[in-house]
Amino acid sequence: DVKVTQSSRYLVKRTGEKVFLECVQDMDHENMFWYRQDPGLGLRLIYFSYDVKMKEKGDIPEGYSVSREKKERFSLILESASTNQTSMYLCASRRVIGGENIQYFGAGTRLSVL
Amino acid sequence: AQSVTQLGSHVSVSEGALVLLRCNYSSSVPPYLFWYVQYPNQGLQLLLKYTSAATLVKGINGFEAEFKKSETSFHLTKPSAHMSDAAEYFCAVSFSPKLIFGTGTRLQVFP
Repeated sequence: DVKVTQSSRYLVKRTGEKVFLECVQDMDHENMFWYRQDPGLGLRLIYFSYDVKMKEKGDIPEGYSVSREKKERFSLILESASTNQTSMYLCASRRVIGGENIQYFGAGTRLSVL
Repeated sequence: AQSVTQLGSHVSVSEGALVLLRCNYSSSVPPYLFWYVQYPNQGLQLLLKYTSAATLVKGINGFEAEFKKSETSFHLTKPSAHMSDAAEYFCAVSFSPKLIFGTGTRLQVFP
C-alpha cells in the first residue's frame, strides 16, 4: 500500500512565524502535491512538484513556498504565517509511469495561526 | 477548462436507504473522473475512478458511479446506506497531472 505521511496532525503557530509542513511518501512517486481544504471550498491546489527540484504554482500559491530536495519528501513553507492561513493542509503523491492519475493522500495537518 | 460541480453540500439519509450524491463535470477532453471519501479527521481515500473502460464503475464499500456523457454527470450511488458511510465525499476530474475537486458533499446517516 502507498503511504503518504504528514509529520504533524495538528499545529498551532503565531502570526509571523515561519512554518514548515512536511510530507513523505514511500512509493517512489514522481509527482507530489500540496492542497488546502476549507469548508465549502473543497480542495485547492497550492503547489505541486513534477519531480526532484521541480515545482509549479497551483491555484493559490500566494504566501507559500515549497521545497523538494529528495524524491520522497515535499515540504510546504509558510514564510510568515497569517491568520487566513488557518486551514487543513493535505499532501498527495502520484505515480507518472504507468499511472492512472490516482493521487494518494496523507492524513492532513490542521494548522491554526493565532 | 475542466471543472466539477457537486449539487448539495449536505445530504441526509436513513440507514438502509439509497444514497445518491450528484456530480456534474465540464471537460474539453474525454475526462478521467474520481470519487474520493474523507472520514472525520482523515485524509482522502479513493472510492472509485472512471477511465473510459466501462460507464458503470464499481468501487469500495458497495459504492458505484455511472458515467453519462450526454448529461455530463458522474453520480455516486449506494443501494443501502450504513452508519459507517457518514463522511464527506469529493468528486474530481483529471487535468493531468492535477485533479480538480468539487466542493464536497457531507453525508449524514440517521439510524
